[in-house]
Amino acid sequence: QVQLQESGPGLVRPSETLSLTCAVSGGSVNRAYDHWNWIRQPPGKGLEWVGALDYRGSTSYNPSLQSRVTITAATSKNQFSLKLTSVTAADTAVYYCARERVEGHFRGGRRVYTNYGMDVWGHGTTVIVS
Amino acid sequence: EIVLTQSPGTLSLSPGVRATLSCRASQSVDSKYLFWYQQKPGRAPRLLIYGTSNRATGVPDRFSGSGSGTDFTLTISSLEPEDFAVYFCQQFSSSPRTFGQGTKVERK
Repeated sequence: QVQLQESGPGLVRPSETLSLTCAVSGGSVNRAYDHWNWIRQPPGKGLEWVGALDYRGSTSYNPSLQSRVTITAATSKNQFSLKLTSVTAADTAVYYCARERVEGHFRGGRRVYTNYGMDVWGHGTTVIVS
Repeated sequence: EIVLTQSPGTLSLSPGVRATLSCRASQSVDSKYLFWYQQKPGRAPRLLIYGTSNRATGVPDRFSGSGSGTDFTLTISSLEPEDFAVYFCQQFSSSPRTFGQGTKVERK
């Protein structure tokens, strides 16, 4: 059973870099064809997708954050990380990591993919920028 | 980017009644990539529905999803006390992944 655990500083100064890590247990960040996501939720607000890393190490980011965000994997440690530079109070949020399960199988001679959604989430970690 | 608009913002209902939540997309969404999540206070979201209408593992059959194109619906056939929560739709038909703003189902 896959479990995720976020870790990192709970307080970051304005203009500095927010760094969080998500440790994966019971599964592998290399597992084909999964995606590993960061999502955040400002106090009292909805969910905002930050970015994702796939099993090959390819990344995609929210365009609104693209210039400031980097997601990387440390496969030897079975974890992935988020860095967000030049933070402001608007980056104050609960940050979640989540596994997006994707399965691939052959159908009619072609590989097809089924996306089962973000089925495993960490508990979330609160980051305050102040 | 595909904008998802959920309605209503808040649904005030009593246990035992049917709840119908709407998620409207700003452009067509491939139904394979429309998802619903439930979130309770202080907790991480929980996946309910994937591919518009498929229940995730362990999700009771009182939850059902439907829709196509730009209009999607989550239905809870008979509200149980544990169903009072916030519900989010999410799409990955095109990047970036986006979430709706949420519908709060509160006890009347």
